[in-house]
Amino acid sequence: AQSVTQLGSHVSVSEGALVLLRCNYSSSVPPYLFWYVQYPNQGLQLLLKYTSAATLVKGINGFEAEFKKSETSFHLTKPSAHMSDAAEYFCAVSDIVRGAQKLVFGQGTRLTINP
Amino acid sequence: DAGVTQSPTHLIKTRGQQVTLRCSPKSGHDTVSWYQQALGQGPQFIFQYYEEEERQRGNFPDRFSGHQFPNYSSELNVNALLLGDSALYLCASSLVLAGGGADTQYFGPGTRLTVL
Repeated sequence: AQSVTQLGSHVSVSEGALVLLRCNYSSSVPPYLFWYVQYPNQGLQLLLKYTSAATLVKGINGFEAEFKKSETSFHLTKPSAHMSDAAEYFCAVSDIVRGAQKLVFGQGTRLTINP
Repeated sequence: DAGVTQSPTHLIKTRGQQVTLRCSPKSGHDTVSWYQQALGQGPQFIFQYYEEEERQRGNFPDRFSGHQFPNYSSELNVNALLLGDSALYLCASSLVLAGGGADTQYFGPGTRLTVL
């Protein structure tokens, strides 16, 4: 079964610093991978997705992620953190069974931005 | 273009009661999935509906049931509520791709259920 592991339940960076949120996946087939962001008391917003095209995926709000098959990783980065980036981030892998796709989420990483 | 909408926003129930949550998918989407997100956890898949049928189910008891209507909207019903059912319930909609592959799921704002 597909699974993801997010390394670090809390990450804290200074405003303007590099953001790096780690995600490793386990999949028996070429995976489809997603990053979602959740602001307090809100639903999940799609940041970006990997669907076996380019290995470097660009998303919204300046975020990007690189798919590395050899490392089974899909880490999320942003060159310069902004206060508005403070939120919970979830990595997810698609698990397709009999044509039906469900998302399997990691435990999430809470990103804090220090002024 | 309206996104995924859910109602109600918040709900308080007592143990043993029954609850119904509602979801309207994004315009043009035909598939609805439901997830449960406990406090401090990632969302857990409950089930998915397509063409008014339950297509796949996660590891949830039969107390959790659902329905999809001809207009693609969906309901999640939970019977005999337990304290542990307190969570944020998220609805996600997507469109089945004709050639297969990963359909992107778009989430609603969720319904916060508190069981006392």
